Formats: sequence, structure tokens, C-alpha cells
Amino acid sequence: DAGVTQSPTHLIKTRGQQVTLRCSPISGHKSVSWYQQVLGQGPQFIFQYYEKEERGRGNFPDRFSARQFPNYSSELNVNALLLGDSALYLCASRWLWGYTDTQYFGPGTRLTVL
Amino acid sequence: QKEVEQNSGPLSVPEGAIASLNCTYSDRGSQSFFWYRQYSGKSPELIMFIYSNGDKEDGRFTAQLNKASQYVSLLIRDSQPSDSATYLCAVGGGADGLTFGKGTHLIIQP
Repeated sequence: DAGVTQSPTHLIKTRGQQVTLRCSPISGHKSVSWYQQVLGQGPQFIFQYYEKEERGRGNFPDRFSARQFPNYSSELNVNALLLGDSALYLCASRWLWGYTDTQYFGPGTRLTVL
Repeated sequence: QKEVEQNSGPLSVPEGAIASLNCTYSDRGSQSFFWYRQYSGKSPELIMFIYSNGDKEDGRFTAQLNKASQYVSLLIRDSQPSDSATYLCAVGGGADGLTFGKGTHLIIQP
């Protein structure tokens, strides 16, 4: 079975632009989470979706938004890009959501904001 | 605010020795604990998860959890050069997502 897939792999944008990142979870997994990882830091939680509903949100501004589709894939949108948004954006998939469920990460999308 | 603390290293261990990685967390109510391995330029890869106090072994890896001390550790036996990576400790789950430490950079010296 395929693992978590993300697209695109790399992306270069300029300040003020908008970006959409895409994620497909492992087959059968219904929950998708998004994380931001800046260089030298651990990943930071942005959003979690389960059954197309937002189930959790981290401490990120409203410029960040996401949604989950009926096939459980997900998109992360970031508006009005800032230089500080440059990071590796990770999507994680799991079957259900709950304290005992493990999450599996996709390869990530490397976003560079110039 | 939930916090996870790790020594950033680098931690240098001779090949064949035991590597010991440690992590402390602030939220006493945390229930799930994970260790991820991350190679440079790659995404985190799940190594171990543990939910109950005590030890959990999987091959060369042993995770240890002490909830009273709010302490999680990962032992890697018979360390190999391919184990050289950054090891991320993560805590929590559920609606709050995972809280990660900054990671410990492990170097296995041949």
C-alpha cells in the first residue's frame, strides 16, 4: 500500500502570495493532520481533520486554513505569505483520531518564500 | 502551554554501543508518547510508541516511560552508522495534535 503522499515536493513563492499544499492519506485512514517544521526545530501542529471536520487547531494565524475532502485527502492553504512561512510542511495520516493512535508522515512539501 | 524538552546534542556514540536518548514533558495528563527518526532533508519516520509505564522493546530499540517523572527515553542497542539521524520525541495526540521536542542529533562513529 502507498504511504502518505504530498504535492508538490518543492515550492517557491514570493511574499504576499497564496499557496495550496495537498495531501493524500494512507488508504483506509480517515484523519489528516498538518505540521510546520522550520529548520532546526521539531514539527509544530497546525490542523487536524477527521471525517471532513476540523478537530483541532494549533497556534497559527488565520492566514492558515485547511479542508478535508470526501475521499479523506486534504489541502492546506496559506494566504499573504511571509518570509517566516518558509518551512517543511508535513501531512500526517492516521486511521482514527484519539490518544492511542499513531501518525505516519508524508515526505513533506518544502516551501520557500522569497 | 505543553512543552517537550530534548537535549539537542550532538550525541556521539561509538558503533556497537548503546545510544540513550532522553525527553521530558510538561503536561502530566499526556497519554501517548512517540519517537520519530528524521534523516537530514527527510520527513519524520515513526520508530516507537508507548502508552504505559515501563519498557517496550522492538528489535534494537527500547522505549521507556516514567509518567511520575514525566520522562521518556529511547535506547538503541548495537548502534549502527545508519542510526545517525535526529531523533524527535513527541507527546500527546487527539485534538491537540502531537507536541514535538526540538530533537536530538545522534552521530554513530564507525
